Amino acid sequence: AQSVAQPEDQVNVAEGNPLTVKCTYSVSGNPYLFWYVQYPNRGLQFLLKYITGDNLVKGSYGFEAEFNKSQTSFHLKKPSALVSDSALYFCAVRGMNTGFQKLVFGTGTRLLVSP
Amino acid sequence: DAGVIQSPRHEVTEMGQEVTLRCKPISGHDYLFWYRQTMMRGLELLIYFNNNVPIDDSGMPEDRFSAKMPNASFSTLKIQPSEPRDSAVYFCASTWDHTGELFFGEGSRLTVL
Repeated sequence: AQSVAQPEDQVNVAEGNPLTVKCTYSVSGNPYLFWYVQYPNRGLQFLLKYITGDNLVKGSYGFEAEFNKSQTSFHLKKPSALVSDSALYFCAVRGMNTGFQKLVFGTGTRLLVSP
Repeated sequence: DAGVIQSPRHEVTEMGQEVTLRCKPISGHDYLFWYRQTMMRGLELLIYFNNNVPIDDSGMPEDRFSAKMPNASFSTLKIQPSEPRDSAVYFCASTWDHTGELFFGEGSRLTVL
């Protein structure tokens, strides 16, 4: 069965500092991996995805994520955090050979960026 | 592009009443999804359609829930009768992408008293 874990409920970082939001996954075969962001009272917004190829994926708003197959991780990173990055971040995984019903979302990590 | 449009944004109803949530997907998208988000259970897939046909409804909680997609530009999620435990935010999402890049609506917050 596919699963994704976001070990931190909340991440606190000061504006201008680098940020990392962690995600590990379990899936049979090769994965599709995603990061989404949710602002208060809004729907989820797609940030980036890994399908195949380069392990470093760049996405919207300066975010990037690194796929690490040996550690089964897909951590979200940004070199310099902004207060406006404060939101709820979701990691999601789906096996390449599975249907959409197998797209599994993590429980979310709240990112708080202080001025 | 207007994005995925959901209505109503907020619904407060009493137990036993029928609730209908509506969704207009992005034009040209051939997949449509209904998700439910709660603090306890996170984000759960209820049902999804491909080309207006339901593909997987294994996430629908019980017979009180039903979903339809009569055409490519409209879908409904109906709860009859509603119960307090149905209180949640219901999201509709659509996509053309076959990997999992979904476009979510703003959600419908349902409160059943």
